[in-house]
Amino acid sequence: AQSVSQHNHHVILSEAASLELGCNYSYGGTVNLFWYVQYPGQHLQLLLKYFSGDPLVKGIKGFEAEFIKSKFSFNLRKPSVQWSDTAEYFCAVNGRSQGNLIFGKGTKLSVKP
Amino acid sequence: EPEVTQTPSHQVTQMGQEVILRCVPISNHLYFYWYRQILGQKVEFLVSFYNNEISEKSEIFDDQFSVERPDGSNFTLKIRSTKLEDSAMYFCASSLRQAIDSPLHFGNGTRLTVT
Repeated sequence: AQSVSQHNHHVILSEAASLELGCNYSYGGTVNLFWYVQYPGQHLQLLLKYFSGDPLVKGIKGFEAEFIKSKFSFNLRKPSVQWSDTAEYFCAVNGRSQGNLIFGKGTKLSVKP
Repeated sequence: EPEVTQTPSHQVTQMGQEVILRCVPISNHLYFYWYRQILGQKVEFLVSFYNNEISEKSEIFDDQFSVERPDGSNFTLKIRSTKLEDSAMYFCASSLRQAIDSPLHFGNGTRLTVT
């Protein structure tokens, strides 16, 4: 069955700390991978996406993610977090033959000033 | 930047009542979606809609659910007879092309509480 696993439910960091949020997927085919972010009280916004090509993808606000096909992973990273990065982060996948997205449970990030 | 808008932001209804959740997708988008997120759980796909018909639906999207694009701008989700377990945040989304080719733009969501 298709699924997305996000390993951390809640991550608490201090400002300037480095961030890595784990995401693993299970999908029997070629995939597109996404990270969405939901700031408090706001809608889901696309942070970055991987369709093909360079497996290291750079997104908005200094975030990046690396697609490692052999590990079925698409971890999100940021070298130095800010208080404004406090949000919930969702990893998602869809297959090339499917229209809908499959989401992970989300990881809540709290950054202490 | 154009946005997907959803109304109301919060809807409270009694079990067994019908509810209609409304969405205005981005105007030049062609694909429309509903997702839901039960508190503490994953965001789950419900249905996608293209060219005035359902293109995909999940197991969750049973006969109690229906979608409609009644005019050129609105996209609605109707739950015919609500159950307690329908309480969730419902997200509408739209995309210019199929989700395999272009990212989804989400609305702020409607929190549905069934009592």
